[in-house]
Amino acid sequence: GAVVSQHPSWVICKSGTSVKIECRSLDFQATTMFWYRQFPKQSLMLMATSNEGSKATYEQGVEKDKFLINHASLTLSTLTVTSAHPEDSSFYICSAREPSPGGYEQYFGPGTRLTVT
Amino acid sequence: DQQVKQNSPSLSVQEGRISILNCDYTNSMFDYFLWYKKYPAEGPTFLISISSIKDKNEDGRFTVFLNKSAKHLSLHIVPSQPGDSAVYFCAASGTETSGSRLTFGEGTQLTVNP
Repeated sequence: GAVVSQHPSWVICKSGTSVKIECRSLDFQATTMFWYRQFPKQSLMLMATSNEGSKATYEQGVEKDKFLINHASLTLSTLTVTSAHPEDSSFYICSAREPSPGGYEQYFGPGTRLTVT
Repeated sequence: DQQVKQNSPSLSVQEGRISILNCDYTNSMFDYFLWYKKYPAEGPTFLISISSIKDKNEDGRFTVFLNKSAKHLSLHIVPSQPGDSAVYFCAASGTETSGSRLTFGEGTQLTVNP
């Protein structure tokens, strides 16, 4: 299957600072990438849909000024958590949809563990 | 509004036996369903999918069954292996115009005992 990478795999930052997470599709071009957040023992919650060359579409309740998404190329999307606070500590996962006729499979990155102190 | 539900948070089976994971959905616009496997601190791994035009899809030890009238799908793993122990998420998607957004269930922790 398609391979999606994320960097960094884990990061610890101080409250008030910003953190950037990268998501790359390694062997295919992804016009659409997705950013999820997962709290312990809970489901994956879609935060936003990242579209190459256009603005991201945010889910209800997700602050677009706090979670900045940039999809500058067909293989890279970035999520920047601005002015991070301890409540932003979570597991962030990206996914990319490999274009295939009739297929909706999304391939996920390994995730990034963010801890805000 | 939980549109995709996995009512069993956990399931324990013996190695070699069948594991059956269940998933229910409420949105009749969903027409594509997927199962993902997830280990702690890792991203989900795609397992198997099924389109609403089918009622069964099989891939090796994994078979997904879809009952559209009941809005229910299940994942069968036969035979179960200890390495199958993980959290399994079912997910659903609408038509192409929805942007291929996936709606996930809460997950079921499967434990396969040797």
